[in-house]
Amino acid sequence: GESVGLHLPTLSVQEGDNSIINCAYSNSASDYFIWYKQESGKGPQFIIDIRSNMDKRQGQRVTVLLNKTVKHLSLQIAATQPGDSAVYFCAEIPDPNEKLTFGTGTRLTIIP
Amino acid sequence: GAGVSQSPRYKVAKRGQDVALRCDPISGHVSLFWYQQALGQGPEFLTYFQNEAQLDKSGLPSDRFFAERPEGSVSTLKIQRTQQEDSAVYLCASSIKETQYFGPGTRLLVL
Repeated sequence: GESVGLHLPTLSVQEGDNSIINCAYSNSASDYFIWYKQESGKGPQFIIDIRSNMDKRQGQRVTVLLNKTVKHLSLQIAATQPGDSAVYFCAEIPDPNEKLTFGTGTRLTIIP
Repeated sequence: GAGVSQSPRYKVAKRGQDVALRCDPISGHVSLFWYQQALGQGPEFLTYFQNEAQLDKSGLPSDRFFAERPEGSVSTLKIQRTQQEDSAVYLCASSIKETQYFGPGTRLLVL
């Protein structure tokens, strides 16, 4: 069936460096994508979202890029901090107010 | 402001016991979702409510799982005759548009 997956399960980055987390999706009908951050023992926390009619969106220290041609999504975190250490999930939904389909996540570790 | 809250945060149940997990969504959020998250995995959809109407329950793994939202606000996920494979974190999320906001989850351990 349709699924969202991640290329790298773990990623270690030096504090202050930039990090890039990648995600591949397979449902071409998906209209909306979200990146979530999940710290140990907590629920997923919304980071940034993007619609399928956009290819880039920026937030505070984060940028999401969407390449619909190759069905690829990435999350860029600038000037990483120790608090950025967490598991990051991309998720997709084909329509508003429908279920999210998550990947298995990438664990980001920031090295002091 | 208050986010999504869930209770209990932790629940240990003996196999065969019934459990009830509560979700208090963000006030005014029409949509409410339940997800199950196994260790090391991403959350998986269980069921979805719009107000009090359960519009999608395709993710519920068996008829031992039941969810309700009788007044369109608080929701309860009930698991009857718990099995060891039900051990997981149960996440609730609410939304008013596309973005779903998650609660902290209930970690269920079935012994």
